[in-house]
Formats: sequence, structure tokens, C-alpha cells
Amino acid sequence: SAVISQKPSRDICQRGTSLTIQCQVDSQVTMMFWYRQQPGQSLTLIATANQGSEATYESGFVIDKFPISRPNLTFSTLTVSNMSPEDSSIYLCSVEYWAASGNTIYFGEGSWLTVV
Amino acid sequence: GIQVEQSPPDLILQEGANSTLRCNFSDSVNNLQWFHQNPWGQLINLFYIPSGTKQNGRLSATTVATERYSLLYISSSQTTDSGVYFCAVEPPGTYKYIFGTGTRLKVLA
Repeated sequence: SAVISQKPSRDICQRGTSLTIQCQVDSQVTMMFWYRQQPGQSLTLIATANQGSEATYESGFVIDKFPISRPNLTFSTLTVSNMSPEDSSIYLCSVEYWAASGNTIYFGEGSWLTVV
Repeated sequence: GIQVEQSPPDLILQEGANSTLRCNFSDSVNNLQWFHQNPWGQLINLFYIPSGTKQNGRLSATTVATERYSLLYISSSQTTDSGVYFCAVEPPGTYKYIFGTGTRLKVLA
């Protein structure tokens, strides 16, 4: 299993500002994933973060708005830049572990951002 | 891209009732997982089930990959089962998961 810690757990942000979310995993992983969940909606993948290379962004998400760092195999950050009320969401990081019994995805507790 | 639709979108049950949640996907997938998101937002992995049937206590899941659907069965539901249930699929060669639309379940005492 995996233990994933996210910070902050909640924040209220002023529009136009930026916020960095941290994700710490208790063991080394190759890929980390960042998702956004808007109120009442499903999860949407923002990007995949590999250590030592630039993140791979999904359609509709750009590096200037959501810069990601992956300095080592247990840590990643996601920055939400120049925030607007539309960025109010839960942001989640996740990892996937492979085992003989199958793969399992683990999620952090999420970072609940409200932009005012 | 692949579409992942879940039904029903909302479900209200009395405690003790059984239910079946469905996940339809529009193209072939390598993997499929089911998740429960509790009212506090925490996502818990329920099953890794690319094909076949698995059971874990009151929950079981079946995936028929050739027909592009998966079912999650909840028996003798409890109020703690309330929340949102998501399926997520991994299209071939992508190494990433696409989440379904979700089923919001409320179990009444």
C-alpha cells in the first residue's frame, strides 16, 4: 500500500494569486498523477509527472497555468497559477503500484481550493 | 478519446438493500478499477478488475471486457456506503486512467 500526504488540505485564495500544492509519497514511484475534481464532477487528469523529465499535460491543461515539479521519486508539486474562481476544485495526486494481484491506484487526501 | 459512462447517476437506498452500479466504456481497455469517494472526499480503491469477477465482503465486481462494461454490486448496504462510486479505465498504451461520470449513492438509515 501507499501513504500519500498532500498539503495544504484546504485553502481560500484570492483571485490572481498562485498556490503550490505538495504531494509526498512514502515510497519511490516512477509516475505521479495530478487530477482536478470540480464541484460535483468527476476527476479529470491534469498531467503525469515523471522524475527527471517534464510533465506530460492532458488536452486543455498547459504548463503556464499548472506548472509541475518532480525533483525526486517521492515528491511532486503542482502550482495553480493566476487563479480565478473557475479554479475552485479539489486537486488530487495519485500513484499506481503494480503487484502480482493487480495494479492499485492510491490517492492523497486532496487539496480543496476555493478562489474568491 | 474513450468515453466512460456510469449509471445510474444518483441512487437512494434504504439500509439493507442491494444495488448494482454499471460502468460502460466506449473502447477497449487494458485495466479497470472501481473507487469509492467518501463524503469527505477521500478516494479508496475497491477493485482492480480488468476482467472476470472479484468479491470483497459485501462488495463484488464483474468486468466483461469484450462487451465493454463493468458492474459493481453492493449487498446489504450500510449508511457508510454513501458517497460517490467511480470506475476508471486505462486505454491501451496510455499508462493513465480516465474516470467515469460517477454514481452518487445515499443510503438511508
